[in-house]
Amino acid sequence: GAVVSQHPSRVICKSGTSVKIECRSLDFQATTMFWYRQFPKQSLMLMATSNEGSKATYEQGVEKDKFLINHASLTLSTLTVTSAHPEDSSFYICSARDSLQSTGELFFGEGSRLTVL
Amino acid sequence: AQSVTQLDSHVSVSEGTPVLLRCNYSSSYSPSLFWYVQHPNKGLQLLLKYTSAATLVKGINGFEAEFKKSETSFHLTKPSAHMSDAAEYFCVVRPNQAGTALIFGKGTTLSVSS
Repeated sequence: GAVVSQHPSRVICKSGTSVKIECRSLDFQATTMFWYRQFPKQSLMLMATSNEGSKATYEQGVEKDKFLINHASLTLSTLTVTSAHPEDSSFYICSARDSLQSTGELFFGEGSRLTVL
Repeated sequence: AQSVTQLDSHVSVSEGTPVLLRCNYSSSYSPSLFWYVQHPNKGLQLLLKYTSAATLVKGINGFEAEFKKSETSFHLTKPSAHMSDAAEYFCVVRPNQAGTALIFGKGTTLSVSS
C-alpha cells in the first residue's frame, strides 16, 4: 500500500528554537496533505491543510505564523514549529491523499513526537 | 455539520471474547466512514472503510463494521479478541467532498486481558 514517511519520529528541543518536521509520500503524488496534532490520550485535531504550490489553509485557532507549512513539491510537505515552547510539545501526524486515486483515501505517517524543554 | 461520537472512552475485554466499539456519526452528506487503530507512539493504521458500497465492511485482523443509516451508527466488532488488539481506536468521518479532511472521534482505548 501507499506509504507516508515522517521525519524525525522524535525530536527534543530547547524552548525558543524552531523545529522542522517533514512528511513525504513515498510512492504517490499528493497535491493535498493534512497536518494533525494529538495531545496525550486525546483525539487528533486537524491543524491545517497543505496544498502543493499554494498557501496552507489553517483551522481556526491555529497560529499560521507559529506553525509554518510549506508544500513545495507533490511528495513533500513540511511543518515548522517556530520559537517552540513547552506547550507545543505534542504528537504531530501528517496524512496525504493520492491525487490519482478516485477514492481519495488518506494515508498517515508514523507521527513525530516533539518535546520542548 | 459533521461529527462523530465514540460512545465509550475505554473498553475492557478478555482474550477470546467479542469486541464491540461503538460509534455514531452526524453528517449532512453521504459520508465515508473509517476505523483507524493506533498503537502506542505509532501512527494510524486503517482497519476498514465504508464508502457507500456494502453496508457490512470487513477489515484487517478480523475486524468488521456495519453501516446503519437509520441508526447513524458504524460500530466496530471482532468475534474474538487477541492480546495484540489492545490499542486506541478512532472512528472517523469524511464528508463526501473532494479535499475535505477527516473528522476524528475522541477514541476508544481497548484493553485485552489474558
